Parts: sequence; C-alpha cells; structure tokens
Amino acid sequence: DQQVKQNSPSLSVQEGRISILNCDYTNSMFDYFLWYKKYPAEGPTFLISISSIKDKNEDGRFTVFLNKSAKHLSLHIVPSQPGDSAVYFCAARGSSGGYQKVTFGTGTKLQVIP
Amino acid sequence: GAGVSQSPRYKVAKRGQDVALRCDPISGHVSLFWYQQALGQGPEFLTYFQNEAQLDKSGLPSDRFFAERPEGSVSTLKIQRTQQEDSAVYLCASSPGTTYNSPLHFGNGTRLTVT
Repeated sequence: DQQVKQNSPSLSVQEGRISILNCDYTNSMFDYFLWYKKYPAEGPTFLISISSIKDKNEDGRFTVFLNKSAKHLSLHIVPSQPGDSAVYFCAARGSSGGYQKVTFGTGTKLQVIP
Repeated sequence: GAGVSQSPRYKVAKRGQDVALRCDPISGHVSLFWYQQALGQGPEFLTYFQNEAQLDKSGLPSDRFFAERPEGSVSTLKIQRTQQEDSAVYLCASSPGTTYNSPLHFGNGTRLTVT
C-alpha cells in the first residue's frame, strides 16, 4: 500500500519556466512533509519541508504548497535551471508520539532543458 | 565537512552469501535509519536506531536481515543467505535529533547486486 504517491514518473521543462511536481498521500496521520532531491549515484538531499499548520512554505526558487483537505502537496521551482535536473522525492511523517519514520514516494525525474 | 559515509559503495554477492554493509553517521547524530531503494522506486524504510537502541525494525523484509549499532555510532546492516530480490541500493541516514523536524542526512548508499 503506497501511502505517498507521485503519479508522474518524469517531467520535462524548459529552462526559465516553472516546474511543478505533485504528490498525494493517503495516511491522515501524516502532518509533516518533505521534498528531497537526488542526483545519480548520490544519496537524497533535503530540499524543503512544510508542516500541516501551514499551506505554503518558500525558500528561494522553491515553494511547497499543501492542500490538507485534498491530501495533496506540490513543489514549484521558479525559474527552473538545468542544475535542477534530478529525481525529486516527496516524503511524509507524523509529528506526534515521539519517533516517526519517514515514508517516501516513488519519485519524479525532472529534466530541465537548456 | 564529514557527511554520512557508507561502505562499500558497490557489492556483488553470489546468491546464498552473507554480506555486511557499513554506515558511519555524522558525529554526534542520535538517530540512524536504514532504507532500501529498489530500481525505479523510492527509499523503503528498514529500521531505526536511537543511539544504540533499535526502536523500530518493522521494515526488515525477513529474518535474514539484521542491523546493529552497538556503541551508538557506526551501524552495520547484515544480510544472510542473499537472494536476487535483495539487489538494491541500501541507504543510511542520520539525524541530529529525534523530533519530526530533525532533518535526515543520507549517505551515497551501497549498491548490492546478487547474482
């Protein structure tokens, strides 16, 4: 049972345009969400996070939007750059009751075309 | 700066062999996670340590998988009698704290191929 879903395995965007990566989750206990970026042969690196008390969090060119009622979040990259080409993983965890494992989606491969 | 270090980077094992994968977390990090990433998939949780205590091993796929962190620092993931379905990248992550917003820092993984 895939609790975090990224339905688009790949996405191509022109340099300078907006990249929008989507993620859906099913577990209503999840209330903290993260995006990780992964280059080939490297481990995932943390990009940005959002708590369920917010609906938007921004860090430079990266913005994450959360729609709790729809159990949906998205990552916007504006403007997209060739160096953004990587696999992006959406992840989620609960925030209460001590330790909570992080559950990852299957990833979306972003290609930014120069 | 010193990040999470995993060794070996690549491991080829014949079916039935035992393997040991090592993770050196960032110094002082309390939390340590192991994940398995199959080709084309996202990382799947295997197990979690808080210092030397293994608090969650719910993701270990079978009793052939065993993990330890005896001194609360270096961790080893051992797979006995490897099978072809064990072929994957094994990722280790450490985190300075134990709260939900304590970020995970991943190593570059060990790619295990079972032939």
